[in-house]
Order: sequence, then C-alpha cells, then structure tokens
Amino acid sequence: DAGVIQSPRHEVTEMGQEVTLRCKPISGHNSLFWYRQTMMRGLELLIYFNNNVPIDDSGMPEDRFSAKMPNASFSTLKIQPSEPRDSAVYFCASSPLRGANVLTFGAGSRLTVL
Amino acid sequence: GNSVTQMEGPVTLSEEAFLTINCTYTATGYPSLFWYVQYPGEGLQLLLKATKADDKGSNKGFEATYRKETTSFHLEKGSVQVSDSAVYFCALSEASGTYKYIFGTGTRLKVLA
Repeated sequence: DAGVIQSPRHEVTEMGQEVTLRCKPISGHNSLFWYRQTMMRGLELLIYFNNNVPIDDSGMPEDRFSAKMPNASFSTLKIQPSEPRDSAVYFCASSPLRGANVLTFGAGSRLTVL
Repeated sequence: GNSVTQMEGPVTLSEEAFLTINCTYTATGYPSLFWYVQYPGEGLQLLLKATKADDKGSNKGFEATYRKETTSFHLEKGSVQVSDSAVYFCALSEASGTYKYIFGTGTRLKVLA
C-alpha cells in the first residue's frame, strides 16, 4: 500500500493565482480529511468527507476555499484566488469509517503564496 | 462541542528523563483517544490509541491510559531519547456516526543529549 498520496509536495505561487492540491486516499478508506498546519494556528481541520460526501466544512476559512471528492480515490482542495496568508502545509488524511478509526496522513503539500 | 486540551510546549528534557504530556478532553459518549507524533518535515503518524475507559495504549516505550473519570489521556515515557524529539498531538474520534476527529494544539518536545 502506497499510503495517502498528496501532490504537489511543494508549490510556490503568486497572490491571486489559483492553487489546486490533490489527494489520493488509501484504497478502502471511506473517510477523508483536509487539514492546514501553520506555526501560528497549529493544525486546523478544514473539511472532511464520509463516503465522498462532505460532512463538515465549518473549518474552511472563506469562500476562496473549496474541496471536492468526485470519487472514492481522489479529492482536491482549491484556493482561488490565493493570498499570502494561505501559506501553510496542507495535509490530507484518510481512515476507515468505523469506531477507533486510525488516521493515516499524507506527507503534506507545502504552499507558499508570494 | 467536543474538544481536546493539551499542555503548552515546548518541553525540553535531558536524555533519560521522565516525560509526561498532559491531555484532557470534553466529549459526549465514548470517544476513542489517540496520540500522534510528527517528526520534522513529515506528516502525523499514530503513536498509540485507546478505545474504552481504563484501556492503556502503548508503543515504543510510550504509554497513555484512558481515564474517563478525569477525562484525561496523559502521555508518559520513562526514559526519553534524543530521537523522541518531535511534536506530539492528542486527539479524539467522536463515537457518533460522523466519526469526526479533533486534535489538540500539539506539544513540542526537545530532548537534549
């Protein structure tokens, strides 16, 4: 099993540009989570899906952020337009949908918005 | 709502010292509790877990006991090593059907040789 795969690993872009982060969860995992990590705010849950359906997006900072999960093996997090304050490491994680579900994290996507 | 509170860091210890990182939670029902560890430049990975009251999770010399009466899940290790330097996160998974995960703010541990 290759684990949770995120791309790109590093992204540097200019303010105002669109950014798309991608995630492939572990096969068979029904839950998918997007987190953002910064020094100032720590680890923040942005949104999570169960069986490809968004369950809670209350952590999405504003309308510039959107996330989709068109099928069980792929999810995207899009920022449009990007701003310097969006600079962070974005993690995707997946888990089986059951009690005592262990999260498996991807290696993260480090975003820098200039 | 449900929440996790863990002690502020950073924690700096000498090698072979005893480690305790406090974690308390607020939750309805019977959540599962976890400790995750993040090494520099990496994602979080599971360190240990406990799924019901009085369960003890253990791994790599670390231990934590699920205490429902005090709503706590403190992380302990008898003798830390330099390689234990990392950020430690306490977390809970809600017992309801949504299985929402909630993390604490993380505690940075630095172990000096």
